[in-house]
This record gives sequence, structure tokens and C-alpha cells, in this order.
Amino acid sequence: GAGVSQTPSNKVTEKGKYVELRCDPISGHTALYWYRQSLGQGPEFLIYFQGTGAADDSGLPNDRFFAVRPEGSVSTLKIQRTERGDSAVYLCASSLENTGELFFGEGSRLTVL
Amino acid sequence: AQTVTQSQPEMSVQEAETVTLSCTYDTSENNYYLFWYKQPPSRQMILVIRQEAYKQQNATENRFSVNFQKAAKSFSLKISDSQLGDTAMYFCAFIFNAGGTSYGKLTFGQGTILTVHP
Repeated sequence: GAGVSQTPSNKVTEKGKYVELRCDPISGHTALYWYRQSLGQGPEFLIYFQGTGAADDSGLPNDRFFAVRPEGSVSTLKIQRTERGDSAVYLCASSLENTGELFFGEGSRLTVL
Repeated sequence: AQTVTQSQPEMSVQEAETVTLSCTYDTSENNYYLFWYKQPPSRQMILVIRQEAYKQQNATENRFSVNFQKAAKSFSLKISDSQLGDTAMYFCAFIFNAGGTSYGKLTFGQGTILTVHP
């Protein structure tokens, strides 16, 4: 499709498990962002890629969170030893580097029991 | 660090009426962009309107317009002729332009829930 695609749409896991969330950006978009959104709140920045490298990972809350974008396209957000506080919607967005305008996917809702 | 503040957690308006959503921001930068995004219950964030800080003219997009007051660091959204489909959460957002194609992260406000009543 033409938009940002995120999988899975919903993920339910148990505390302590490992989770991967995938983002497929719009073709040709060099910048890719991950945000986390708790219920009723604004999205909170996690990490931003320019190409394959993380340009800013200052929003990752701790070392249980890690993201990669090995070929400069698809990105995976990885969460180790999940905790109940990790439950949220994880949003991915991409942009052309010269616009600053982000295009968002529909998000992956993570529930940690 | 940049901050974005939306002081109205909830707003409501009658269909066909006009409503204004408030947003203020704090930054020491001079070159930046401001956005209003809409997030309906489907979760997907949709861009409503964007404003470049170097432009004095307020942006408009059909029924949506902004009142950008750079000195006051204020960026409000006016929705005219409100429609039922405008019901959503609205986020004000800020992004810094470091020059050319170099951008920082998009920083969001807390959001305002807008309900349009028939």
C-alpha cells in the first residue's frame, strides 16, 4: 500500500516476554520515527532514524528498548522483558527528509498482562 | 528543549458552528514548523494543517485555519462549519529545522478531545 504499515495491529503478551513491532514506511521516505502513546495522552518520542542510523534515540526509556533499521527501510522496535507499564500504542511515522511532515501508521497496540 | 502545551483537555461544538483550539509552545529556536494533527478513534494520526515559522501569513486549509502569533508563541486552530466527522483528538506539534533537510523530533502537546454535536 501507499501508507505506513505497522504489524501487528494488536499484541497481547505476558510480563517478561520479548516483543517485536514492525514498521514499513512509505517508499522513498528516508526518515522514520517511533512514538509511544498512552491512553488519552499525546505521543511520546522514542527514536528517530535517518537512513539506517539512529539520529536521535534520546526517547528510549531504558535498555530494554531497542530499534533497528538495517536497510534503511523497514524498522523493528524490540522490547525485552516486557513490563505492564510498557502497555501502550506504538506509533511509527515516516517522512521525506526535506519536509518535516510526518506520515503515521495506525499503530500497534501492546498489552502486557 | 521544546515544549508544547494544550490547555483545553476537552472541547465541544455544535455542528456548523466554529470552534478554536489553543496551543502554546516554548522554544529558543527561530526556524521551526508547527502542525495540527487529528487522531480519530481509528488511531491513525492525520495532518490537518502546517505552518512555517518564517511565514507571517497564517495557513489555511479549507475549513481549517490557524492564528500564529510568533512573539507570543501561540498557535491556535480554528475549525469553521464544524462537521460530525471532525470529532477526534487534536494534537498541536512542533518540529525544529536545524537547516536544510535536517530536522529534529516532532514534539506533541497533550491533545484536545473535540466533540461535534448534531
